[in-house]
Amino acid sequence: AQKITQTQPGMFVQEKEAVTLDCTYDTSDPSYGLFWYKQPSSGEMIFLIYQGSYDQQNATEGRYSLNFQKARKSANLVISASQRGDSAMYFCAMSLRRSTQGAQKLVFGQGTRLTINP
Amino acid sequence: SAVISQKPSRDICQRGTSLTIQCQVDSQVTMMFWYRQQPGQSLTLIATANQGSEATYESGFVIDKFPISRPNLTFSTLTVSNMSPEDSSIYLCSVAEAPDNEQFFGPGTRLTVL
Repeated sequence: AQKITQTQPGMFVQEKEAVTLDCTYDTSDPSYGLFWYKQPSSGEMIFLIYQGSYDQQNATEGRYSLNFQKARKSANLVISASQRGDSAMYFCAMSLRRSTQGAQKLVFGQGTRLTINP
Repeated sequence: SAVISQKPSRDICQRGTSLTIQCQVDSQVTMMFWYRQQPGQSLTLIATANQGSEATYESGFVIDKFPISRPNLTFSTLTVSNMSPEDSSIYLCSVAEAPDNEQFFGPGTRLTVL
């Protein structure tokens, strides 16, 4: 069964430090996508970064980078130079293609609550 | 990315009643989805809203409880029927322009059932 695991329920980091949020996944499908979303206390889900299973290079978006290690089935999010505004819940998700309709679904991990201390 | 709005942003409802949540996108999108996030939990897909046909529901979700409409490529509604306190959650719609593309989420509807 397809599954996303985030083993860090909470993390506390000093401002300006880099932080790595762990994510491992399990799927037998050779084609999948990996996503990271940020959810502040307002509840909205903010898309951060995407990595396709066939992408050769790690994805980067500004201060966010995805450390994709396919053999280990891990897709860790790295935030460089953390800021107070980075404090939020972070969810790792995997997209799965269904055989009918070609539609995809997202399977989410349980999330990591990141707190940036001044 | 598409701009997505949801109405209402929050509501407090009595048990046994129904609430319809609207999701509006500022551009035509291929895929629309509805998710539920129970308090302190992660997101779970309820169904895929299909334009012009019945929605595709995930295991554990049924049409009688969560009827969905999608009359065109920019709009969808989710109804939470015969509500109970267990339905208290954030309900989010999301869109994707193609099956393998990123999904973008609306701001969510925070529902409390008394």
